[in-house]
Amino acid sequence: AQKVTQAQTEISVVEKEDVTLDCVYETRDTTYYLFWYKQPPSGELVFLIRRNSFDEQNEISGRYSWNFQKSTSSFNFTITASQVVDSAVYFCALSEAREYGQNFVFGPGTRLSVLP
Amino acid sequence: SAVISQKPSRDICQRGTSLTIQCQVDSQVTMMFWYRQQPGQSLTLIATANQGSEATYESGFVIDKFPISRPNLTFSTLTVSNMSPEDSSIYLCSALLGQSLRGTFGSGTRLTVV
Repeated sequence: AQKVTQAQTEISVVEKEDVTLDCVYETRDTTYYLFWYKQPPSGELVFLIRRNSFDEQNEISGRYSWNFQKSTSSFNFTITASQVVDSAVYFCALSEAREYGQNFVFGPGTRLSVLP
Repeated sequence: SAVISQKPSRDICQRGTSLTIQCQVDSQVTMMFWYRQQPGQSLTLIATANQGSEATYESGFVIDKFPISRPNLTFSTLTVSNMSPEDSSIYLCSALLGQSLRGTFGSGTRLTVV
């Protein structure tokens, strides 16, 4: 069965610190997709990144970077020089192919608080 | 990328009543999904809605409680029936756009049942 674990329930950092959010997943599929979403207090889900299981290249987008390691089934997310606006709940998600479409399995989320 | 409009954005409802949530996508999509996010929790898939067929429900969710309609490729509704305070959650719809697999979400409906 598929599962996503985000061991860090809550993290607090001071502005300008770097912070890494951990994500570990379980799946029996060889083809799957990993996602990170941000949920600010307004409640909407903001897409950050998608990675497929065949692409282990790390990715950097501005202050955000992602480290995908199949050997450890991890897909960690780092925010460099954090800002107050980064405060939100961050969800890691796994998507597998199913007969009738795709399904997202979400991790429990990590609440990040960036203090001024 | 597609935009998903969801309404109402929030509502406060009386116990025993029903609420229908609407989800409109600005492009045609094959699959639409409904999720529930209970307070302080992660998202849980309720059901997958295909146009022209019955919705497929996940374990723990039943059609009588959460009837879903999917009349065309751009629209779906989720009804929360005979509500109780335990139904207080954020309900989100989602769609996959062809092969993009981006997983675009609506802005959510924050439901409070009193």
